[in-house]
Amino acid sequence: EVQLEQSGAEVKKPGESLKISCQGSGYTFTNYWIAWVRQMPGKGLEFMGILYPGDSDARYSPSFEGQVTISVDKSISTAYLQWSSLKASDTGVYYCARVRWSRFDAFDVWGQGTMVTVSP
Amino acid sequence: EIVLTQSPGTLSLSPGESATLSCRASQSVSSSYLAWYQQKPGQAPRLLIYGAASRATGIPDRFSGSGSGTDFTLTISRLEPEDFAVYYCQQYGRSSHTFGGGTKVEIK
Repeated sequence: EVQLEQSGAEVKKPGESLKISCQGSGYTFTNYWIAWVRQMPGKGLEFMGILYPGDSDARYSPSFEGQVTISVDKSISTAYLQWSSLKASDTGVYYCARVRWSRFDAFDVWGQGTMVTVSP
Repeated sequence: EIVLTQSPGTLSLSPGESATLSCRASQSVSSSYLAWYQQKPGQAPRLLIYGAASRATGIPDRFSGSGSGTDFTLTISRLEPEDFAVYYCQQYGRSSHTFGGGTKVEIK
């Protein structure tokens, strides 16, 4: 079964750093792009960026460029989303998703989401 | 960046009725690179439709997508109790991905 397993919920203070993970299984991890999507409380979905695990090529939405870093450790089939200095406005649920075929395609498999709470 | 506008914001219907959801793009969507997702409370989104009209694996045929250019539609015929949820459209052409604001389908 194709699955993406995300790391658990986090509670952090403003200014702290954070790295959350997304581990793929049941398919060849390096062959499919992985996307990150934010959902702020009670709001819609926002595309953050996308990464190709095969060569670590990462692209960012203009809204998130410079705010987060997307990376991968293909030896353990895991993608990461990290912040160097969190803000309260980073509070939300973060999903990773597998891109269906090419870089420009729909997201066919989703992780369960990681809730990030940033509060003083 | 292509902006997707979904309407209506909320649709109140009864089980057995049909739902018609609209997604309008600010520019033409390349090659019908348009997807629809369903999200229930506390759950991750689920892919329903890709390529504007192709159903994803395991999606019942009461879900259908249509449209091209800037105007796209998701139709749910014969609403089942499990279909009451929020639906998002997404475009994935023109060098980026963007989502619409969502349409909530609620029980009347």
